[in-house]
Amino acid sequence: KAGVTQTPRYLIKTRGQQVTLSCSPISGHRSVSWYQQTPGQGLQFLFEYFSETQRNKGNFPGRFSGRQFSNSRSEMNVSTLELGDSALYLCASSPWVGETQYFGPGTRLLVL
Amino acid sequence: AQTVTQSQPEMSVQEAETVTLSCTYDTSESDYYLFWYKQPPSRQMILVIRQEAYKQQNATENRFSVNFQKAAKSFSLKISDSQLGDAAMYFCASQGGSEKLVFGKGTKLTVNP
Repeated sequence: KAGVTQTPRYLIKTRGQQVTLSCSPISGHRSVSWYQQTPGQGLQFLFEYFSETQRNKGNFPGRFSGRQFSNSRSEMNVSTLELGDSALYLCASSPWVGETQYFGPGTRLLVL
Repeated sequence: AQTVTQSQPEMSVQEAETVTLSCTYDTSESDYYLFWYKQPPSRQMILVIRQEAYKQQNATENRFSVNFQKAAKSFSLKISDSQLGDAAMYFCASQGGSEKLVFGKGTKLTVNP
C-alpha cells in the first residue's frame, strides 16, 4: 500500500497570505489528523477528521481550519499567515479513530 | 489530560551497543496506547513500536523493545545492536481511548561509529 502523501512538500509564503495543504491517507484509512511541529513548541495537535467530520481540535486560533472529503483526503488551511506559523505540518492517517497513526513526510512551510 | 515527558534531550551510543531511552507519562484513561516514533533527518515520522496498556507483556520489534511499567507510568525504549541508521529524534507518545496522540519533547539519538 502507498503511504500517506502530503502536498506540497515545501512552501514559502509571506505574512498575510493564506495557504492550503493537502493530505491523502493510506488507502482504506478513514481518520486523518494534523500536527504542527516547531523547534520551540514541539509536536502539537491541530485537528482530527473522521468521515468528513471534525472530531477533535487542538488549541489553535480560528485561522487554522480543515476539512475532509468523502474519499478521506484532507486539507488544512491557514489564513492571514504569521511568521510564527512557519513549521513542519504533519498529517497522519489511521484506519479508524483511536488506532495507530501513520505519518506522511510533512509539508515544510516558511512564512517571510 | 495526558502528558508525556522525555527527560533526556540527547543521548549517544556506540555502534553495536545498546541504549535505553526514557519516557514517563500521565493519563486518566484506563484504556490507552503508548508509542515510540522515530524522526530521522528526512523528518518523516516512522512508527517504531506500540504497546497496549492492557497487555502486561512488553512489545518487541526486532532490535527494539520496551520496558512498560504501568504502575510507575514508565515506558522506556531499548535499542539493541545500534546501527548508524538508528540516529534520529525519538518521540514517545500516548493515546488514550479514541483521543489524540500526545507527544513528548523528543530525545536526539546519536550513533557513533
